[in-house]
Amino acid sequence: EIVLTQSPGTLSLSPGERATLSCRASQSVSSSYLAWYQQKPGQAPRLLIYGASSRATGIPDRFSGSGSGTDFTLTIRRLEPEDFAVYYCHQYGSSPPWTFGQGTKVEIK
Amino acid sequence: EVQLVESGGGLVQPGGSLRLSCAASGFPVNGHYMTWVRQAPGKGLEWVSVIYTGGSTYYADSVKGRFTISRDNSKNTLYLQMNSLRAEDTAVYFCARVRAELRVDAFDIWGQGTMVTVSS
Repeated sequence: EIVLTQSPGTLSLSPGERATLSCRASQSVSSSYLAWYQQKPGQAPRLLIYGASSRATGIPDRFSGSGSGTDFTLTIRRLEPEDFAVYYCHQYGSSPPWTFGQGTKVEIK
Repeated sequence: EVQLVESGGGLVQPGGSLRLSCAASGFPVNGHYMTWVRQAPGKGLEWVSVIYTGGSTYYADSVKGRFTISRDNSKNTLYLQMNSLRAEDTAVYFCARVRAELRVDAFDIWGQGTMVTVSS
């Protein structure tokens, strides 16, 4: 099973700042099968990025994903008030089990 | 509108059973891989199970042998049969659609979740 470790656990930033979230895998993620989700309290997760760097439908271009192999990054270029939430990375390699990172909370400083 | 709506959650005693349903609209459940993900109170996301379009099923080790995923194409509904429930199965259970057709991909459509509480 691939273990995903996200850092930092909490990111305290102000609106307008840049957020950089990291996701490290215990082994290489095949074909960059890595996604990022945003979750707000009481809501279901929302897909932001798939294939490590492709934005999902309707996702603003201030969200970008990068990386390959074992190291992946989600960048939020300029934080908007609605971006403060918990973010999860997720690997969906060619064969289950699939796994999620433990999450990074982006909070208002 | 593409949508998933879960139902069937509730309070159950340890060792008991529960069946969750996930009604899909706007797309056929047999046209995409479909999956269940759970989230214990205050915790992160945990993948539970997936059913492929061809019928193959996979499970997390934590639920293998106790949970069964299935679908009814005529009702366009996904199910999760949960047996021998334990306190650690307490969570919100989400069903989700795998984005691409006929291959692994991220989860693009999610239900609102249904709460399962295992307690005496």
